[in-house]
Amino acid sequence: DAGITQSPRHKVTETGTPVTLRCHQTENHRYMYWYRQDPGHGLRLIHYSYGVKDTDKGEVSDGYSVSRSKTEDFLLTLESATSSQTSVYFCAISDRDRITYEQYFGPGTRLTVT
Amino acid sequence: QQQVKQSPQSLIVQKGGISIINCAYENTAFDYFPWYQQFPGKGPALLIAIRPDVSEKKEGRFTISFNKSAKQFSLHIMDSQPGDSATYFCAASYSGNTPLVFGKGTRLSVIA
Repeated sequence: DAGITQSPRHKVTETGTPVTLRCHQTENHRYMYWYRQDPGHGLRLIHYSYGVKDTDKGEVSDGYSVSRSKTEDFLLTLESATSSQTSVYFCAISDRDRITYEQYFGPGTRLTVT
Repeated sequence: QQQVKQSPQSLIVQKGGISIINCAYENTAFDYFPWYQQFPGKGPALLIAIRPDVSEKKEGRFTISFNKSAKQFSLHIMDSQPGDSATYFCAASYSGNTPLVFGKGTRLSVIA
């Protein structure tokens, strides 16, 4: 998984609680992304970062916030978890300063909101 | 607005047959078209990618065909094997800071 770890790998939480997912990379890539994967919807971009403290919204950003204080860590926070946020969350990284635009994905975090 | 449309949603192919998955895009600024393969419980992994300056790219049993005028590209898996059973995603992107835009995926099952 190209030096990408996600934690936790599985989490069950209750509606209304805050949840933070962590993505950690050892590749020193500039760009980091958070996606959610749901049946019938494929991979949808939540937020992404193009440098430390530089972030932007994706297609499905409502209810999520992110932070990146170090190159290697990108945090995704569900401010008040809802059942509609039950999903598998993937972090990805890329180094778009090179010719290739390849994104490398982490192993995913399965989140269940009850 | 879905920028990349993928079909079919699911596909069953006999072992040794050809698997074909199609994608269509809308944004003519896209200049990078990858295909990702995902096995259950794993993250997607890059399989093969193409840029619009070529009409075809082949890597082993996997071929991307690209039709710029029709704004379509497809993945062909020759001599499909049970080990190819996975979900396949097409995607597109363009120069700059734009992230990949993904299709909704195709679940491929190769049966013996």
